[in-house]
Amino acid sequence: DSGVTQTPKHLITATGQRVTLRCSPRSGDLSVYWYQQSLDQGLQFLIHYYNGEERAKGNILERFSAQQFPDLHSELNLSSLELGDSALYFCASSAGALPARETQYFGPGTRLLVL
Amino acid sequence: DQQVKQNSPSLSVQEGRISILNCDYTNSMFDYFLWYKKYPAEGPTFLISISSIKDKNEDGRFTVFLNKSAKHLSLHIVPSQPGDSAVYFCAASETGAGSYQLTFGKGTKLSVIP
Repeated sequence: DSGVTQTPKHLITATGQRVTLRCSPRSGDLSVYWYQQSLDQGLQFLIHYYNGEERAKGNILERFSAQQFPDLHSELNLSSLELGDSALYFCASSAGALPARETQYFGPGTRLLVL
Repeated sequence: DQQVKQNSPSLSVQEGRISILNCDYTNSMFDYFLWYKKYPAEGPTFLISISSIKDKNEDGRFTVFLNKSAKHLSLHIVPSQPGDSAVYFCAASETGAGSYQLTFGKGTKLSVIP
């Protein structure tokens, strides 16, 4: 158990809909990262938040947005869903203490299926 | 363009023998490298890392080698055990960029045969 929790575990929805994925980082971790793993793809970095502020953006679509709340949990919002958005979405957290090279700890993921 | 490549999608090894998983990268700014292991229905778990100032890091049965001139790293597992059967992801980070986002390869599925 990494200490990172993600809800829900599974999500089935229809094209055009909007969903919210939730992540609670390990206790004390300030950084939250979101990754997407599509079929036959490695994990693609989406976005990084540190202590409530956006730190870096990766291959995140404009239809997707995220935020990190004062209690450090994070939400990833996916809107106008398309079939191609079906994937595993992972959240990871790390202590966030710069400039240390840190280990990221991953949650179990949310499997999203868009029909 | 893939910046981290794991060219072998799968690898089968006999129990007790050495497993060697390979990874190549193209971004010369990467200075921190990690290996993650992933079991089905679970998130990736950290295995071992190496900084670009080193060429080898060892942790028990796991050793990572880094060849910066070749932009190549490898993970050695000795001896391999059935419980090592999993997908192994190589990841790299450019720590000077201010964000520790990881760039992952597509993974290599290791099967250790009893």
